[in-house]
Order: sequence, then structure tokens, then C-alpha cells
Amino acid sequence: GQSLEQPSEVTAVEGAIVQINCTYQTSGFYGLSWYQQHDGGAPTFLSYNALDGLEETGRFSSFLSRSDSYGYLLLQELQMKDSASYFCAVRGDRGSTLGRLYFGRGTQLTVWP
Amino acid sequence: GAVVSQHPSRVICKSGTSVKIECRSLDFQATTMFWYRQFPKQSLMLMATSNEGSKATYEQGVEKDKFLINHASLTLSTLTVTSAHPEDSSFYICSARDPDWGDYEQYFGPGTRLTVT
Repeated sequence: GQSLEQPSEVTAVEGAIVQINCTYQTSGFYGLSWYQQHDGGAPTFLSYNALDGLEETGRFSSFLSRSDSYGYLLLQELQMKDSASYFCAVRGDRGSTLGRLYFGRGTQLTVWP
Repeated sequence: GAVVSQHPSRVICKSGTSVKIECRSLDFQATTMFWYRQFPKQSLMLMATSNEGSKATYEQGVEKDKFLINHASLTLSTLTVTSAHPEDSSFYICSARDPDWGDYEQYFGPGTRLTVT
């Protein structure tokens, strides 16, 4: 089966930097993704790491270490609109259909002025 | 990016009735769509993978006779919750992959909030 662990809550002030960690245990691994979800809304894709290292996309960066089964999402220059839930997700290898995503429980980020 | 729509956005039904939720890919063809359920403040739980022209693949613990999935075309998948009960009340979200944009990103619909009274 798939198991992902991430902190339930993180708080920070505007302009700060926040790191949300994710550790996973999977029977197969085809990459780690991060999604953002505002209250009542749909998840939106933020980033994807298939290989070790850091991927940077604007204010957001994502890191993966496959040997440690660990990744993180780094949010810089925090803004109030970044207050949301952030989910890490892994692609598993069950069956013949790739692309199935298994999500962590989510980290609620609250940004204070 | 690709757009996925869902209808209805909210539905309230009585216990014992059936509810159909539609998921459409608006500007791309999706051979595979996914259905998730999300309880308040909880994670997204994958229910099933919907494949165009073939039977859906259900995750362990999901009753396929209760959650009927039909992927009749490359742009439409439907989820029917049969004989709904209050415990089926949840946020149902579909997603789809756009093969032209690689196979790692999924585009999510806006979700359907189901309340069973």
C-alpha cells in the first residue's frame, strides 16, 4: 500500500519562508507531486519531482530524495493568498494503470499579516 | 492549462435515492479519469480509475455496485451514487490527465458536494 506523512498544520507570517515535508512509503514510485487546495476548491497542481534534486517554479520549489523517501515543498515570500492546504502525492504502480495518485493527509498553511 | 468541469456543484438528496455526477474534460480528450472522495479537513481518497470504453478499476474497499462509473466518451465520465445514505455525504472530485501535457499532472474538477438527508 501507500503511506504518506506530512505535518497537519504550519503557520507563518507574510514574507517568510516555509518548508512542508513529506515522507512516503510505497510499493512502487513514479514521482512525487504537490497540490494546493483552497477551502471548498479543487486541488491545483504545483510541482512534480521524478528525480532527486530541487525543482524551482517561481516562489515555490520542491525537493526529492528517493533514497530517503522524502521530499519537501518550499514556499518563499509568503503571501496571504498562499493560505491553503498543501498535499503531497505519489504515483503508485498498482495494476497496469499508471497515473493513479495517492495523497497525504494535507498540511494546512496559515499565513498571518 | 486543461479544464475539467463537474456537474452539479452541490446536490442534496434523500436517503435511498441515486445521484449522478458528471465529469467533463472541456478542451482535451481524457482516456483516463479518476474519482476521489474527500471528507472535511481530510485527504483526497482515490475511489476508482475510469477508463474510456472499459470497466472502471476500483480501489480496495470501494463498493463498485454502489458507486457506478461510466466513461462513455473521451470527454465524459459519470459517477452514480446508488441508494445513497447519510454516510455517503462528502465532497466528490474528479480529475483527468491530458496526454499531450505529459502523464504526471492531473487536472481536477471543481468538485461536487453531496449531502444525503
